[in-house]
Amino acid sequence: EPEVTQTPSHQVTQMGQEVILRCVPISNHLYFYWYRQILGQKVEFLVSFYNNEISEKSEIFDDQFSVERPDGSNFTLKIRSTKLEDSAMYFCASSVGPYNEQFFGPGTRLTVL
Amino acid sequence: ELKVEQNPLFLSMQEGKNYTIYCNYSTTSDRLYWYRQDPGKSLESLFVLLSNGAVKQEGRLMASLDTKARLSTLHITAAVHDLSATYFCAVDMTGTASKLTFGTGTRLQVTL
Repeated sequence: EPEVTQTPSHQVTQMGQEVILRCVPISNHLYFYWYRQILGQKVEFLVSFYNNEISEKSEIFDDQFSVERPDGSNFTLKIRSTKLEDSAMYFCASSVGPYNEQFFGPGTRLTVL
Repeated sequence: ELKVEQNPLFLSMQEGKNYTIYCNYSTTSDRLYWYRQDPGKSLESLFVLLSNGAVKQEGRLMASLDTKARLSTLHITAAVHDLSATYFCAVDMTGTASKLTFGTGTRLQVTL
């Protein structure tokens, strides 16, 4: 069964460093999302992406964040200068259409020291 | 701003018992989703409810949606230990490439 994959599973970085989180959505899906979950808290929307551009973004998704689909399969989230409060689990998700079920990847745990 | 609230936040129940988790949301939406999350793991889709009155069942779990009351319920019948997890409801609003707004989550612990 097709699934969303994410790499790395765990990333440790120093404050101020740039990180890139990678996702491979399900192949016939057209809508892509990033969410994050701070430990023990609820899942928060970051950004949605369709047709090679951002559809919607949350207040969390400030200028430090960017997303890209560099080729036909990968979908990346870049944090330019990480802060301590960026430590969280980041989930990528994809869906066939805008009102369809979103399938989540296994997540990348980001730890900022 | 769409708000999604779940209760209870934590539920400890014995095997064999029944219970209901509630999910309330603040603005009009016709689509509601239930996800399960095991500790340290990803979100597993359980149910997609796409219209008022929708009811779906899978094993010991049954979900329903009342869009007029802005309420969804997840009913657990004869709980077993394997159902121990955190359950999230999520709502999306009309629009292109909808984002999901998640509830606070209900941590379910089923004791033997």
